[in-house]
Amino acid sequence: GAVVSQHPSRVICKSGTSVKIECRSLDFQATTMFWYRQFPKQSLMLMATSNEGSKATYEQGVEKDKFLINHASLTLSTLTVTSAHPEDSSFYICSAAGTGTHPYGYTFGSGTRLTVV
Amino acid sequence: AQTVTQSQPEMSVQEAETVTLSCTYDTSESDYYLFWYKQPPSRQMILVIRQEAYKQQNATENRFSVNFQKAAKSFSLKISDSQLGDAAMYFCAYRGLVGSARQLTFGSGTQLTVLP
Repeated sequence: GAVVSQHPSRVICKSGTSVKIECRSLDFQATTMFWYRQFPKQSLMLMATSNEGSKATYEQGVEKDKFLINHASLTLSTLTVTSAHPEDSSFYICSAAGTGTHPYGYTFGSGTRLTVV
Repeated sequence: AQTVTQSQPEMSVQEAETVTLSCTYDTSESDYYLFWYKQPPSRQMILVIRQEAYKQQNATENRFSVNFQKAAKSFSLKISDSQLGDAAMYFCAYRGLVGSARQLTFGSGTQLTVLP
């Protein structure tokens, strides 16, 4: 079945530095990638949607200059948290749709726990 | 905009018993998809069951079944013969068919505890 590999699973970084999170589709072409943020015991909140080769569409309230999304190929999308601060600490999950995925649902990565100290 | 509401933040069930998780949604669309996802402590999102709105028959996957009431915009999940491994956060989700509606909209989740 369709698999999305997300790395790293955990990362700790210092305040002011940048962190890159990668999501790779292993056996399908991810034409669309969704990036979510999840706080403890809360639901998934959509941050942005990206289509391969196009600029990402950000949800209201999400800073596009802080959360840089690149979807330059059909198998790789990245989320870079720039100048991270403690309030950016959260769980980030990607979800992909494309050829080879389930026709109705989307395939999720395993998530990245970001801690900014 | 579509909204999904889960009114039960926490539920518990005795092992081997049956539990029903509630979900309501709001949409002006006539065709769409509904899902239940499970998120165990590992936080990996796992698709439990899906329902196409155009289908009147309720979806079933082994011990999991749904009660889909389109007119009432209700989509509940029934777990039969509950097992310890069913303990997780359960999210109800809506997905439209076209454009930005293709994104998944999640409910707030129901934390299910299975008691031995």
